[in-house]
Amino acid sequence: QLVESGGGLVKAGGSLTLSCAASGFTFSDYRMNWVRQAPGKGLEWVASILISSTYTYYAQSLKGRFTISRDNSKNSLFLQMNSLRAEDTAVYYCARVPAHGDYYYSMDVWGKGTTVTVSS
Amino acid sequence: QSVLTQPPSVSGAPGQRVTISCTGSRSNIGAGYHVHWYQQLPGTAPRLLIYGSSNRPSGVPDRFSGSKSGTSASLAITGLQTEDEADYYCQSYDSSLSGFVFGTGTQVTVL
Repeated sequence: QLVESGGGLVKAGGSLTLSCAASGFTFSDYRMNWVRQAPGKGLEWVASILISSTYTYYAQSLKGRFTISRDNSKNSLFLQMNSLRAEDTAVYYCARVPAHGDYYYSMDVWGKGTTVTVSS
Repeated sequence: QSVLTQPPSVSGAPGQRVTISCTGSRSNIGAGYHVHWYQQLPGTAPRLLIYGSSNRPSGVPDRFSGSKSGTSASLAITGLQTEDEADYYCQSYDSSLSGFVFGTGTQVTVL
């Protein structure tokens, strides 16, 4: 199970940190993603972090404003969002990423999402 | 912007068969990366529907099936039911972007 938190209303230019609490599986065995969905729009991959946090990857559109991190000792995933813009308004989901067999690079477990609203 | 292209909408009567296409390129589907499909019911999180192009997780009805060929993939729903009304997204990995890519999404309507 994945449970996101930390969403809310923030002014343009502000910052927000999202959290995702994992349970029911060995968190440290999985790559993790953040995915967002703007109102009435499709799914957009945001960021990804490998098991040991050695490598992180981001959607090019974010231009260095977001930082993904994890704490395996606390089974937690984070997304630090800076210089927020109105276009960052979306529901943000965390998702588990298997890296084995036919499940490779799918997202097989999703949280219910947390809503971020950026006011201009 | 989405790298994988899907039709915006498809529709069918109950019991009919509908298909959704997902067109990519040589850096994602054509590079051999798996294609996965998600179902998103209104107001809910996406749910993995098909993984590895053609496999169903436990609990997914066998009326859902997937296939892949070249730089494209498709999802078929046979015996369409009212509860299948949802948005469907394909997803893969793109080597040139070093990231995950989603399709543009397809809304399925049961007439």
